[in-house]
Amino acid sequence: DIVMTQSPSSLSVSAGEKVTMSCKSSQSLLNSGNQKNYLAWYQQKPGQPPKLLIYGASTRESGVPDRFTGSGSGTDFTLTISSVQAEDLAVYYCQNDHSYPFTFGSGTKLEIK
Amino acid sequence: QVTLKESGPGILKPSQTLSLTCSFSGFSLSTSGMGVGWIRQPSGKGLEWLAHIWWDDDKYYNPSLKSQLTISKDTSRNQVFLKITSVDTADTATYYCARRAGGRYDYWGQGTTLTVSS
Repeated sequence: DIVMTQSPSSLSVSAGEKVTMSCKSSQSLLNSGNQKNYLAWYQQKPGQPPKLLIYGASTRESGVPDRFTGSGSGTDFTLTISSVQAEDLAVYYCQNDHSYPFTFGSGTKLEIK
Repeated sequence: QVTLKESGPGILKPSQTLSLTCSFSGFSLSTSGMGVGWIRQPSGKGLEWLAHIWWDDDKYYNPSLKSQLTISKDTSRNQVFLKITSVDTADTATYYCARRAGGRYDYWGQGTTLTVSS
């Protein structure tokens, strides 16, 4: 199984600040055939199901604010929130979308000061 | 409009069999490229991918649970089912189903909670 490692486990920032969080996979998520990275990011707010933010490592899902940006390739990926808003309070998960089982990272909890 | 809704028994005793149903609308599992997966989440913990079924009935399971899991579908009724045999307290969780299209799980249900207790 591909192991997904997220860091930090939690972070606390003030509204308006820039945030970056990391996700590393134990194997490459790059499909050599089409050169696409199969990595997704989800946001889970308290009491809600996960919501897809980013897929293909960097493609924003329809309706997701452009302050959310995914980047990276191979085994190292980053989710950046350019200017954190109060409503971004959530746990953020990355997911291996490359090969079964589609494993998840343990999450990064974002708190707003 | 795509929607998914999970349903289940709510509470089971250890060693019983869990039967979950995902009822969906807004898409068809007879459409090429469509799939539905099951993911669970113990309270206060992370997400665990369980199983997935494709439009062509291809199925995939989490190896750590494979012997306990069976996924199936009824395309005509727009439903996907997950069966987990011999549950124990570690299976207490919220169970989600999600649609997979275009290489991602883009729509999720609200989840159904299961408590396993003697």
